[in-house]
Amino acid sequence: GIQVEQSPPDLILQEGANSTLRCNFSDSVNNLQWFHQNPWGQLINLFYIPSGTKQNGRLSATTVATERYSLLYISSSQTTDSGVYFCAAVRYSGGGADGLTFGKGTHLIIQP
Amino acid sequence: ETGVTQSPTHLIKTRGQQVTLRCSSQSGHNTVSWYQQALGQGPQFIFQYYREEENGRGNFPPRFSGLQFPNYSSELNVNALELDDSALYLCASSQPIGAGAYEQYFGPGTRLTVT
Repeated sequence: GIQVEQSPPDLILQEGANSTLRCNFSDSVNNLQWFHQNPWGQLINLFYIPSGTKQNGRLSATTVATERYSLLYISSSQTTDSGVYFCAAVRYSGGGADGLTFGKGTHLIIQP
Repeated sequence: ETGVTQSPTHLIKTRGQQVTLRCSSQSGHNTVSWYQQALGQGPQFIFQYYREEENGRGNFPPRFSGLQFPNYSSELNVNALELDDSALYLCASSQPIGAGAYEQYFGPGTRLTVT
């Protein structure tokens, strides 16, 4: 199956700083999503981005499918951005459904 | 639009018992997937249901089983509970938009503790 690696594993920043989170994947993908997991465990959808660039407020994401990586940018960080950010991908094998394969996440802490 | 809901929120069971977790999919979604998230790890795919049939499964033993109902809601059943089954169980719903292409939306999860 597909492998997903995220970096860095941990990131501590001051409020107002910008950050870039990276996701590498081992094969071409049909689906790539970025999530933010809040302290209660809820996975919140940030982007569905198997290719291209998207922006939503202070967050943006870029996936370069040919080079098998995706980047999540957070600008002007706020304390509420703290939490774990997951990248997840799936490659359709044609033999039934494959679920999302998640990376190990980036634990982001924004200090006031 | 109603999001994905799960019940119960928390559950404590004893080793060897059986448990049933429930999930209601987001309105308009016909596919439900289940994931297990151990503490400090990313979620792992258990299985997926589409049109009331299991159509994909991760690396989980047969004691993990499921159902999907005509209204697309789903159940996850775990028999002969083991201590390692303690985890957050997440349900996700989706509406396929192409071969393998479907954005998944997650519920709040059920936290299972096995003692």
